Amino acid sequence: DQQVKQNSPSLSVQEGRISILNCDYTNSMFDYFLWYKKYPAEGPTFLISISSIKDKNEDGRFTVFLNKSAKHLSLHIVPSQPGDSAVYFCAASARSGGSNYKLTFGKGTLLTVNP
Amino acid sequence: GAGVSQSPRYKVTKRGQDVALRCDPISGHVSLYWYRQALGQGPEFLTYFNYEAQQDKSGLPNDRFSAERPEGSISTLTIQRTEQRDSAMYRCASSPTRDRAGGELFFGEGSRLTVL
Repeated sequence: DQQVKQNSPSLSVQEGRISILNCDYTNSMFDYFLWYKKYPAEGPTFLISISSIKDKNEDGRFTVFLNKSAKHLSLHIVPSQPGDSAVYFCAASARSGGSNYKLTFGKGTLLTVNP
Repeated sequence: GAGVSQSPRYKVTKRGQDVALRCDPISGHVSLYWYRQALGQGPEFLTYFNYEAQQDKSGLPNDRFSAERPEGSISTLTIQRTEQRDSAMYRCASSPTRDRAGGELFFGEGSRLTVL
């Protein structure tokens, strides 16, 4: 039972355009969401997060949007750069549910930004 | 080094053998986590420590898997009597604070285990 779903295994965009990566979740106890980025042969690195009390968090070129009613979040990268090419993992945790340290990850989306 | 260090990076073993995977977290980090990542999947939680205390081992698949962190720094994940289904990337992560609620975890490069 996948509690965090990334339904697009891959996404290809042109340099300078917007990249939109999507993530859906099923567990209504999740109240904190994160995106991790992973380059080949490296471990995942934290990118950006959002608490369920917000609907948007922005950090430079990266913005995460959260739609709690739809149990959906998205990561926007504007403008996209070739160095953004990586696997992006969506992750969630239930901070108020006693298991606040456990991250549940999606399967990841491979983003390719073409020059 | 400055990051989370895991060894060995690659381990090939025969079915039935025991393996030990080591994690050296970022110096001073209180919390340490083990995750397992199968091919094409995201990381899956195994177990977690605050200092030397194992707080939760609910993600360990069965009793062949165990982990320890005796001095609150380096941790070892041990798999006894390995089976082919144990083949995966085993990732360690650390965090500077205890129970860092869904916060930033610093992952190592992982130990890829292949069981023949």
